[in-house]
Amino acid sequence: SQQGEEDPQALSIQEGENATMNCSYKTSINNLQWYRQNSGRGLVHLILIRSNEREKHSGRLRVTLDTSKKSSSLLITASRAADTASYFCATDAGANNLFFGTGTRLTVIP
Amino acid sequence: KAGVTQTPRYLIKTRGQQVTLSCSPISGHRSVSWYQQTPGQGLQFLFEYFSETQRNKGNFPGRFSGRQFSNSRSEMNVSTLELGDSALYLCASSPKSWPGGWTNEKLFFGSGTQLSVL
Repeated sequence: SQQGEEDPQALSIQEGENATMNCSYKTSINNLQWYRQNSGRGLVHLILIRSNEREKHSGRLRVTLDTSKKSSSLLITASRAADTASYFCATDAGANNLFFGTGTRLTVIP
Repeated sequence: KAGVTQTPRYLIKTRGQQVTLSCSPISGHRSVSWYQQTPGQGLQFLFEYFSETQRNKGNFPGRFSGRQFSNSRSEMNVSTLELGDSALYLCASSPKSWPGGWTNEKLFFGSGTQLSVL
């Protein structure tokens, strides 16, 4: 299966700290995307990194991609209580649909 | 632009019934995908429609079906409901297009339909 695996499954940090979550996948990809989901709601796209890119920034988000290790990481700096959500990586392996990982549940304690 | 709209937001059905869920994509998006989300299985791809044609299908039984209309609105149907069909059903639209090759750019999700089967 192409499905990614996020690590850790759950993460609890204090407001102001940085949060790092990782994603591993199994086959070669065109791009990798990160999404956020607040409880029981739809997913919101955060950032997309293409296979020929190694790092990308968007506001307080930094994403890295290591295609040799088939892994990606999402760093959220200076976390806020509003960042509390589940975070999913999703991989595009070609003509098929996006495959979503299992998610990391982030809790930011005020 | 209005976002992706899914109706209804909540649905309660009993085993054996059938259900139809609706999704209106963002204006101009021709691709609509459906996902099932459960605590145990995560996000599982159901199917994708593009210009009224099913382009991809996930590994779900034939009880799960869908269609897309000429205005890109999509419906999915689940017949003979089972307890295990209880889930959050998410619809997502995309500005995906051809030619140039299929690439999966960002998806825009609706808020989902929470289906409970009793």
